[in-house]
Amino acid sequence: EIVLTQSPGTLSLSPGERATLSCRASQSVSSTYLAWYQQKPGQAPRLLIYGASSRAIGIPDRFSGSGSATDFTLTISRLEPEDFAVYYCQQYGGSPTWTFGQGTKVEIK
Amino acid sequence: QLQLQESGPGLVKPSETLSLTCSVSGGSISSSTYYWGWIRQPPGKGLEWIGTIYYSGSTYDNPSLKSRVTISVDTSKNQFSLKLSSVTAADTAVYYCARGYILGGYFSYWGQGTLVTVSS
Repeated sequence: EIVLTQSPGTLSLSPGERATLSCRASQSVSSTYLAWYQQKPGQAPRLLIYGASSRAIGIPDRFSGSGSATDFTLTISRLEPEDFAVYYCQQYGGSPTWTFGQGTKVEIK
Repeated sequence: QLQLQESGPGLVKPSETLSLTCSVSGGSISSSTYYWGWIRQPPGKGLEWIGTIYYSGSTYDNPSLKSRVTISVDTSKNQFSLKLSSVTAADTAVYYCARGYILGGYFSYWGQGTLVTVSS
């Protein structure tokens, strides 16, 4: 079973700053099957990034994803007020199974 | 625009079976391009994948749920359903249904979620 560990647990930043979120897998993950979601309070998760680096429809270009194998990163180049939320990485793997990371909260400093 | 809507009891007694339905509009549940899944989120916690059903009828569920999961599709109603047996308080969560893309392994459309509380 692949475990996804996200860090940090909480990121305290100001609007306009750059956010860098990490997702580390316990074993190698195909980049094709690594996704990122944003979730705001009381809302369902929203797909941001799929295939490790492709933005979903309607996602602003300040969101970018990168990485391979066991280390993946979500970067928000300049935080907007609406970007303060919880972010999850997710992988699809053998059996098949779907696994989520525990989440990173991006909060206003 | 695809829409998914969960429905079912908001309160279930311990040891009973939780049953939820996801109604799909704006797209066919029979498409071979997609799969359909259930994900849950206990209050204040993260996301947990419950199970997935493909258009072929094949189902897969989270081993941690110890075979308590049944997922089925009703193509005539464009719906799919979740049954989770022998529930305990640990199964209290917001339950989401979602559609995923077969070639991508991600969930691109989600329902709004429904809170199910397990309590006597």
